[in-house]
Amino acid sequence: DIQMTQSPSTLSASVGDRVTITCRASQSVSDWVAWYQQKPGKAPKVLIYKASNLQSGVPSRFSGSGSGTEFTLTISSLQPDDFATYYCQQYNNYWTFGQGTKVEFK
Amino acid sequence: QVQLQESGPGLVKPSETLSLTCTVSGGSMNSQYWSWVRQPPGRGLEWIGYLYYSGSTNYSPSLKSRVTISGDTSKNQFSLKLNSVTAADTAVYYCVRHRRGDYYFDNWGQGALVTVSS
Repeated sequence: DIQMTQSPSTLSASVGDRVTITCRASQSVSDWVAWYQQKPGKAPKVLIYKASNLQSGVPSRFSGSGSGTEFTLTISSLQPDDFATYYCQQYNNYWTFGQGTKVEFK
Repeated sequence: QVQLQESGPGLVKPSETLSLTCTVSGGSMNSQYWSWVRQPPGRGLEWIGYLYYSGSTNYSPSLKSRVTISGDTSKNQFSLKLNSVTAADTAVYYCVRHRRGDYYFDNWGQGALVTVSS
């Protein structure tokens, strides 16, 4: 199994902050990585696919980068609606998720 | 706009079989992959397995011995069966659609909580 390790597990931030979440794969997954946002009691929603492609309808303050084993999700200016839990996912070999990063109010 | 909706019992006894159905509305199941994903309370996401519309399947190695996913394209439905359940199988179960040609999950059902308890 390919393991996905996210850091940090929790991130305290304020509105307007630039936020970066990192995901490391246990082996190369090329650029087959997606990022999801999940709010309490709701299903996850895809933000980024193929490492750096913005899903239709997602605000441009979200961006993704990386390839191989190191990936990042960046929110350029955190908005009130962005306080949520974020998951990375590899889909190079089956589908596995990181453990999640909760973005909370500082 | 395609919508997915899970349905099935919310309570299952230990050692019995968990059964859920996903109904796809607003579109066809044809030419696409469909999966089940679960999330134990307060924890992360786990892929269970997929169904291709033609009927082929593939399962997570960790669950393969207990899982069956099947589909009925004439009804626009696909189903999950997980046998010999324990409390560790208590989770919200989501049905999802894979993005055509790319395979990440671009459409999710709202989720169904299944509790395993006697």
